[in-house]
Amino acid sequence: GEDVEQSLFLSVREGDSSVINCTYTDSSSTYLYWYKQEPGAGLQLLTYIFSNMDMKQDQRLTVLLNKKDKHLSLRIADTQTGDSAIYFCAESPTSGTYKYIFGTGTRLKVLA
Amino acid sequence: GAVVSQHPSRVICKSGTSVKIECRSLDFQATTMFWYRQFPKQSLMLMATSNEGSKATYEQGVEKDKFLINHASLTLSTLTVTSAHPEDSSFYICSARDGGETQYFGPGTRLLVL
Repeated sequence: GEDVEQSLFLSVREGDSSVINCTYTDSSSTYLYWYKQEPGAGLQLLTYIFSNMDMKQDQRLTVLLNKKDKHLSLRIADTQTGDSAIYFCAESPTSGTYKYIFGTGTRLKVLA
Repeated sequence: GAVVSQHPSRVICKSGTSVKIECRSLDFQATTMFWYRQFPKQSLMLMATSNEGSKATYEQGVEKDKFLINHASLTLSTLTVTSAHPEDSSFYICSARDGGETQYFGPGTRLLVL
C-alpha cells in the first residue's frame, strides 16, 4: 500500500533537539520532503533530500534517510517556540504524475 | 522565489451557491497545479491534478461536476465548488510545480458553507 506514517505528537522543551520520524513505502521515490504547517496556513517547504543521499543539513535542520528501512527523519536543533507546528513528510514516487504521498503529520509542541 | 497565492483566504457562503477559489504562481510558470482538501487535524487529501490547457485529472471519489477546475494559463488555476453544501466546508490548498518535482503550496482557503 501507499502509506506514509508518522507519529502524531511530539513534545519537547525549548532549546532541546526534536526528531520527527517518517516511514514511507515506495522505494522508487526520487525525492522526500519535509513541510511545516502552522495553524490556519498552507504548507511551507522546509527541506528535501534526494534518494541517493543519506543526510542533508541546512542550518538547524538535519535530514537523515535510511533507504534500506525506508525511514526518513527530521532533526531540529535548538528547538524554539516558533517551531511549534505540524510537520508533514512527503514522498514523490517516480510514477510520472508528480503526485505526492503525504504522511499523517506530526504535531510538534515546544514547551517554554 | 516560488511563491503561490490563493484568493480568497476565507469565504463564507450560503448553501446552494457556487464559490470560486484562485491559485496563482507569482514568480514562476506552473506546468502542473494540484488541489488538496484538508479536514481538521488531518493530512492533505489530493482532489485533482491540473495541467495547463488540458482537463484536470480527478482522484477517485472526487466529483468532477462538483469541483470544477480550470487551468487557463501557466500561472492561474481555479477551483469552483458548485452548489456548495455544509459538508463542502473545509480548508482547500493548492500547490504548483515549476517543472521540477517540488510542489510549492499556497496559503489555503477556508470555506464555510452555511
